[in-house]
Amino acid sequence: DQQVKQNSPSLSVQEGRISILNCDYTNSMFDYFLWYKKYPAEGPTFLISISSIKDKNEDGRFTVFLNKSAKHLSLHIVPSQPGDSAVYFCAASDPNTGFQKLVFGTGTRLLVSP
Amino acid sequence: AAGVIQSPRHLIKEKRETATLKCYPIPRHDTVYWYQQGPGQDPQFLISFYEKMQSDKGSIPDRFSAQQFSDYHSELNMSSLELGDSALYFCASSSPAQGGNEKLFFGSGTQLSVL
Repeated sequence: DQQVKQNSPSLSVQEGRISILNCDYTNSMFDYFLWYKKYPAEGPTFLISISSIKDKNEDGRFTVFLNKSAKHLSLHIVPSQPGDSAVYFCAASDPNTGFQKLVFGTGTRLLVSP
Repeated sequence: AAGVIQSPRHLIKEKRETATLKCYPIPRHDTVYWYQQGPGQDPQFLISFYEKMQSDKGSIPDRFSAQQFSDYHSELNMSSLELGDSALYFCASSSPAQGGNEKLFFGSGTQLSVL
């Protein structure tokens, strides 16, 4: 039972354009969401997060939007750069099961071409 | 800045053998987590430790055990290895003082191959 879903396994975008990565979840108890970026041969790196009390969080070129009614969040990268090419994981935590148990999506591989 | 260190980076074992994976958290981080990522799959939470005590348990097989030592490093012990144990094992650490337990800092992982 996949509680966090990233339905697009890959995304290709041109440099300078916007990248939009999507994530859907099924557990309405999730109250904190995170995006991690992963390069080959490296561990996931924390990128940005959002609490369920917000609908938007922005950090430089990265913005995460949360739509609780649709159980959907998205990561926007503007403008996209070739160095953004990586696998992006969406993750969520349920306070009832503890922060430790982050539930990850299967990831979306982003390729930004020059 | 110091990151989470995992060793070894790669490990090849045969079925029914044992393996020990080590994790050294970021200095002053008191919580360690272990995740398993199979080929083409999402990372799955295995187990976590806070202040040397097991704090949470996920989908960790009974053949696996882990502990956190007084210097906060952690070891994941895997016995009677099976082919299906072949995966990338990530360790992560966090500290409540650095934005809460949600923000995990991951190591580069140990790639375990069971032949």
